[in-house]
Amino acid sequence: GENVEQHPSTLSVQEGDSAVIKCTYSDSASNYFPWYKQELGKRPQLIIDIRSNVGEKKDQRIAVTLNKTAKHFSLHITETQPEDSAVYFCAASIVRGTGRRALTFGSGTRLQVQP
Amino acid sequence: NAGVTQTPKFQVLKTGQSMTLQCAQDMNHEYMSWYRQDPGMGLRLIHYSVGAGITDQGEVPNGYNVSRSTTEDFPLRLLSAAPSQTSVYFCASGQGGGGGYTFGSGTRLTVV
Repeated sequence: GENVEQHPSTLSVQEGDSAVIKCTYSDSASNYFPWYKQELGKRPQLIIDIRSNVGEKKDQRIAVTLNKTAKHFSLHITETQPEDSAVYFCAASIVRGTGRRALTFGSGTRLQVQP
Repeated sequence: NAGVTQTPKFQVLKTGQSMTLQCAQDMNHEYMSWYRQDPGMGLRLIHYSVGAGITDQGEVPNGYNVSRSTTEDFPLRLLSAAPSQTSVYFCASGQGGGGGYTFGSGTRLTVV
């Protein structure tokens, strides 16, 4: 089955700096890669996702890049703010037509933005 | 539109007891999954379903049963609770063809 590895496990940055979280996946058939943000005591919430036919996707201060050849994808957060502090999870899955497999998640990155 | 509703939010069980965690979604999603979340281990898949009447095992299925008699409901049954099942349980649903999962608010289970 799919295996997703995520690094680093913790990340501390100063407010205004950029943060980068990296994930690798094992199944070359995986083609859907979402990122989730989980605040303390809350449910995970989708913040951005990318399909394998796209190399990069941006949404305001958040961007995700994908390297299919190397089987890795990254989350980039620019101009970090204290409210970005949370645990971030990457995930991978296979989607074909109207079918899909369950998401496999990385182990998470705790991001701390210091004011 | 309530999204994904999980009950209960908190539960304490004694070793050996059984219980059912409830999950219901009102978005007509085909795909539903149960994950458990333990510190430092991310979200691990317990069981999932691709539609009513169809279920399959995930990464950590032992000690849990599921059924999917309707599109809306996907209960998770703990057969004989063990302390190792102390965790936060999340139910999630999603559409076929991709797109993100919608998660429920979670059930915090403690087995003593």
